[in-house]
Amino acid sequence: DAKTTQPTSMDCAEGRAANLPCNHSTISGNEYVYWYRQIHSQGPQYIIHGLKNNETNEMASLIITEDRKSSTLILPHATLRDTAVYYCIAPYRGSTLGRLYFGRGTQLTVWP
Amino acid sequence: NAGVTQTPKFRVLKTGQSMTLLCAQDMNHEYMYWYRQDPGMGLRLIHYSVGEGTTAKGEVPDGYNVSRLKKQNFLLGLESAAPSQTSVYFCASSRAGAYEQYFGPGTRLTVT
Repeated sequence: DAKTTQPTSMDCAEGRAANLPCNHSTISGNEYVYWYRQIHSQGPQYIIHGLKNNETNEMASLIITEDRKSSTLILPHATLRDTAVYYCIAPYRGSTLGRLYFGRGTQLTVWP
Repeated sequence: NAGVTQTPKFRVLKTGQSMTLLCAQDMNHEYMYWYRQDPGMGLRLIHYSVGEGTTAKGEVPDGYNVSRLKKQNFLLGLESAAPSQTSVYFCASSRAGAYEQYFGPGTRLTVT
């Protein structure tokens, strides 16, 4: 797995966009970037993933730099329910196993 | 669809007691996983299974055993509980080789 680095914590005003950065400078060509989040006391929840193109779904957008060494998860209109720990993961896809390694993530706090 | 369910939600054990945590999924997923999460830390993989009748060790397997007799169920056993096993345990499932994992709500275990 590529090593990922995220800020420990961030905050955002409700209704504003939350931009969560992740560095993965050692990522290789076949490694995707996955984002999960964990709301307090709940199990982690898959958000989005991408390889090199920007991706968008109903939850968030993922912007990956052209050199693929960093990415940004964007929550376009953050709500109080988006307060959670956000994990950026770059698992090695050479294995057939779907193993994920969770680090400490970024604690996002959305304030009213 | 119930998704991934875990039983029980809470449990208190005394040192040396045994117990089994049950995980069930109704998504017909091939892969299943057991993680533990200690305060302020990310998730660590205990054991996983890539199919009925198969199991394998993750990062922190010592003190735990698992069984996957049916495709939809994955059991985690503690034969002789220790205070160091006080943690929140999460089960997850995924399609074969996929990194989009679906997590259960967790089991909070306290060993005194």
